[in-house]
Amino acid sequence: KAGVTQTPRYLIKTRGQQVTLSCSPISGHRSVSWYQQTPGQGLQFLFEYFSETQRNKGNFPGRFSGRQFSNSRSEMNVSTLELGDSALYLCASSFDKLSAANVLTFGAGSRLTVL
Amino acid sequence: DQQVKQNSPSLSVQEGRISILNCDYTNSMFDYFLWYKKYPAEGPTFLISISSIKDKNEDGRFTVFLNKSAKHLSLHIVPSQPGDSAVYFCAASAFGTYKYIFGTGTRLKVLA
Repeated sequence: KAGVTQTPRYLIKTRGQQVTLSCSPISGHRSVSWYQQTPGQGLQFLFEYFSETQRNKGNFPGRFSGRQFSNSRSEMNVSTLELGDSALYLCASSFDKLSAANVLTFGAGSRLTVL
Repeated sequence: DQQVKQNSPSLSVQEGRISILNCDYTNSMFDYFLWYKKYPAEGPTFLISISSIKDKNEDGRFTVFLNKSAKHLSLHIVPSQPGDSAVYFCAASAFGTYKYIFGTGTRLKVLA
């Protein structure tokens, strides 16, 4: 079956602009999580959605937002981009996060560069 | 506050030998742990998991050990192969939090 699909794969923006990233989870997966990866910082949790509801949010400013649609597809938005937002943004899906015993399946990521 | 720590940024091992990657955590509520491997320009790939009710889980060349009293887990790869060269992340989750906390990763280089 198809994996987690993230679009776009690469994008370049300038400071002050906004960006929207898209994620299509594995068919049947209802939970979608977003992570930011920067050098030396590992993967930082942004937020998690299940059935269109945000169930948890990481320690990021309000410029970072997301949503999930009824078909489980998800988008995240970053407004008023800053240079420090340059990172690899990873989306992961899982069947159900109500149990801790759920493996995250990641997409290939969207590489954002802010100039 | 980094709740999951991988204190070794890099590790080099000869092909055929054992690779041991370590991970420490501070939150005693964590009850499920995952290891991921990541190649450049790709998303992380799941390797192996362990629940807090176990102290060992094995899958082929990969074995994960969990020491709850020390809040420490380790991933053993035996034998190591050049294709294992990648960045390895450990991750931990507590029931009901709907998120995994990841370590900063260890870059493994397996020398042929």
